[in-house]
Amino acid sequence: GESVGLHLPTLSVQEGDNSIINCAYSNSASDYFIWYKQESGKGPQFIIDIRSNMDKRQGQRVTVLLNKTVKHLSLQIAATQPGDSAVYFCAESLNQAGTALIFGKGTTLSVSS
Amino acid sequence: NAGVTQTPKFQVLKTGQSMTLQCAQDMNHNSMYWYRQDPGMGLRLIYYSASEGTTDKGEVPNGYNVSRLNKREFSLRLESAAPSQTSVYFCASRGQINQPQHFGDGTRLSIL
Repeated sequence: GESVGLHLPTLSVQEGDNSIINCAYSNSASDYFIWYKQESGKGPQFIIDIRSNMDKRQGQRVTVLLNKTVKHLSLQIAATQPGDSAVYFCAESLNQAGTALIFGKGTTLSVSS
Repeated sequence: NAGVTQTPKFQVLKTGQSMTLQCAQDMNHNSMYWYRQDPGMGLRLIYYSASEGTTDKGEVPNGYNVSRLNKREFSLRLESAAPSQTSVYFCASRGQINQPQHFGDGTRLSIL
């Protein structure tokens, strides 16, 4: 089965709300996690990453939280905008040279005005 | 700021035809990757190249071959295309461990 998965396939929010997208991972050895945004017809675009020695990292309007105890990752988007509408993927990897990412299936975020 | 460039963007093949998908990156990255993305599924790794001169199988390598031509270029070949290989193919590259992979915009491949 999937090593990394998202709890909900879709999430609908109103413009201005805060969005929270969740992800559960199963490999305790994973030590690097990334959130990607994918718009229709485009490749995944890097949003934010976090290493396993951290439990929180903030970017511009986005925050990633990592709970290693329950193997849970979340992406928080503040003041969600219509331009945030996309599919969001979490991904995990091991700290090894050349290692590839393991992706979850994605959550589709829809933002209405 | 080209990043990762994939060609072609779209392609339609007949069953049994062969095809090479091209990928080039201009970020001087060591590692390069090929993924496929099917509807309702996340990206799945086909092959990767940890560094120039090396290639390794990923999760779904059957029916594909790859060539790491030089540090910049990593191609994916379908020797005898099958309808099950209809998908969107993404190439990615990465510089160092614990850095994000950067993706191209994909090749949309249909096999009839």
